[in-house]
Amino acid sequence: GDSVTQMEGPVTLSEEAFLTINCTYTATGYPSLFWYVQYPGEGLQLLLKATKADDKGSNKGFEATYRKETTSFHLEKGSVQVSDSAVYFCARGSGNTGKLIFGQGTTLQVKP
Amino acid sequence: EPEVTQTPSHQVTQMGQEVILRCVPISNHLYFYWYRQILGQKVEFLVSFYNNEISEKSEIFDDQFSVERPDGSNFTLKIRSTKLEDSAMYFCASSALPGSRGEQYFGPGTRLTVT
Repeated sequence: GDSVTQMEGPVTLSEEAFLTINCTYTATGYPSLFWYVQYPGEGLQLLLKATKADDKGSNKGFEATYRKETTSFHLEKGSVQVSDSAVYFCARGSGNTGKLIFGQGTTLQVKP
Repeated sequence: EPEVTQTPSHQVTQMGQEVILRCVPISNHLYFYWYRQILGQKVEFLVSFYNNEISEKSEIFDDQFSVERPDGSNFTLKIRSTKLEDSAMYFCASSALPGSRGEQYFGPGTRLTVT
C-alpha cells in the first residue's frame, strides 16, 4: 500500500545550521506531497506542498522539491532558528478522497 | 484566519464507556477527516466524510467508531465502547477541495485517555 518513510530523529542542530530531513514515498500514482509541522502542544500545520513532479514547495525559508525519479520530497532550510524546533511530518495524498499518509515524524531540536 | 477547532482538549474515560469527540471544521469546507496519533507513533488516517456520508475508512475504523455531522457546523467522532488501545491524540481536519488538490487544515487535537 501507499507509504511514506522519513529519516529517524531526533535531529539536533545549532542555530544557523543547514537542515535536511529526508522523505521518500511509494510511487503509486502521482500523489500530492506535503510537509506538516507540529509545534509543542499544538496541532498539525501545513508547512508546504507540491502537487506534481519538479514542483518546489516553499514557506518560511523551508523548501522541498518533488522528485519523481527518486520518489523523494526532502525538506531543507538554509539556516535554522531555535523557533523551528518542532516535529516535522512528511505526507502524501492517497486515493480519491485525498486522505493523507504520514511518515513517522522527525523531531528537530535547534540549540542556541 | 479561519481554523478548525476541537473539543474537549483532553478527555479521560473508563474502558467500555462511550465518548464523543467534537470538531468544528472551517465553515466553507466540505471534506472532513479524522486521524489519530498514538503516543510516539505516526499519524494514522481513520475516516473521510463528504456529503453526509463516509467516503473512505481505514481498517482501524471498525464498528466501534462512527462519525456524524449533526448540524451545519459540527463533525463528531463517536467511540461506542472504548478500549485501552484507543488512547491517542485524535485530530480532525477539513478541506475545501477533494482529493489531493485540497489542503487539509487540522485542529489542535483531543487527547483521549482510556483507563
